Amino acid sequence: EAGVVQSPRYKIIEKKQPVAFWCNPISGHNTLYWYRQNLGQGPELLIRYENEEAVDDSQLPKDRFSAERLKGVDSTLKIQPAELGDSAVYLCASSLRTGAYNEQFFGPGTRLTVL
Amino acid sequence: TQLLEQSPQFLSIQEGENLTVYCNSSSVFSSLQWYRQEPGEGPVLLVTVVTGGEVKKLKRLTFQFGDARKDSSLHITAAQPGDTGLYLCAGALGGGADGLTFGKGTHLIIQP
Repeated sequence: EAGVVQSPRYKIIEKKQPVAFWCNPISGHNTLYWYRQNLGQGPELLIRYENEEAVDDSQLPKDRFSAERLKGVDSTLKIQPAELGDSAVYLCASSLRTGAYNEQFFGPGTRLTVL
Repeated sequence: TQLLEQSPQFLSIQEGENLTVYCNSSSVFSSLQWYRQEPGEGPVLLVTVVTGGEVKKLKRLTFQFGDARKDSSLHITAAQPGDTGLYLCAGALGGGADGLTFGKGTHLIIQP
């Protein structure tokens, strides 16, 4: 079974430019997450989708960040315009919603460098 | 304030030694996961613990969830160079599909 797929793996842009990341979750997983991982830190949740609905976007900086999951499968995370402080690894994860506990499976991430 | 505190942050030991990594919080978690992350890759799930006092073993790795479900530990016996990596604990405050709260991680280096 294929894991979570992310692209691109690496992106270098100049500040004030736009950038977009793409994620394809594990087949059948209806919950999708975007996390940001700064250097030397653990991942921090940006947004969570249940199917196509964003059910938790409280940590998403909405002035410059946006996300969508139009058909409840693939998702795109966008930053416009990018700032120097946005340099980080952006991780996508998916899970199959259960009532007991939450196991999330991560993609390899997109490493963003803003110059 | 970090919700989940991991210690130590860095650990470098010789092959064959034993080690324990700790994950502590003042919050109660419905479940807690341990992940291992290698450079340039996403975190890989090692184990999930859900019951207070639960102990799970994965080959040379032993995971324990505290009785009050506020803390956890990871013990590695006879560490090997292949165990090198970043170990992350992550807790779910609610049930279902809530986002996880991660600790900062423990950078582990096992020297041959």
